[in-house]
Amino acid sequence: DAKTTQPPSMDCAEGRAANLPCNHSTISGNEYVYWYRQIHSQGPQYIIHGLKNNETNEMASLIITEDRKSSTLILPHATLRDTAVYYCIVRELWGTDKLIFGTGTRLQVFP
Amino acid sequence: EPEVTQTPSHQVTQMGQEVILRCVPISNHLYFYWYRQILGQKVEFLVSFYNNEISEKSEIFDDQFSVERPDGSNFTLKIRSTKLEDSAMYFCASNRVDNEQFFGPGTRLTVL
Repeated sequence: DAKTTQPPSMDCAEGRAANLPCNHSTISGNEYVYWYRQIHSQGPQYIIHGLKNNETNEMASLIITEDRKSSTLILPHATLRDTAVYYCIVRELWGTDKLIFGTGTRLQVFP
Repeated sequence: EPEVTQTPSHQVTQMGQEVILRCVPISNHLYFYWYRQILGQKVEFLVSFYNNEISEKSEIFDDQFSVERPDGSNFTLKIRSTKLEDSAMYFCASNRVDNEQFFGPGTRLTVL
């Protein structure tokens, strides 16, 4: 079973920041927080990952609480193309650790 | 930018027939995976593969399923005798030893 919990759905106005929360209270010390998204039935797309420090890339920012029990994915300026299901997953960085997908958060960006 | 490719994009087959789904992982990746997603449901892990052998498999991956890396580039999933409940999107993924998994676009399998 997935080790994360996320709200089932969220709305965001185009151009505004989308803040997607995730709880992972049982995360272990060597597990990273990964975020993926899935647009329609396309293959999941990697967004970002982090261990304990905040991370930023060209797609998003990841804020991880100091106790590592929760995190927030931030899309700074959401567009209609960001409408997708967003998955928060904990996984070890190294080797063959599989991804265990939950039900994710369905983000709807509206004009 | 390198990407995982999958063929065919859509496969229609009759119940009881064998199907082979093909994937070309990113060239310098060492770990390979198959996942499936039944319509409206979660993405589910099927199997992981490293160093020419299965590393882990889920309960879904029973004797009807097999994987193979027949050459240096392809990674295949075979279903020996398809059932109606095998209808799903099948995703291939790959990663190096220390990075995120990259997914292919998927193969939609329809079993009639």
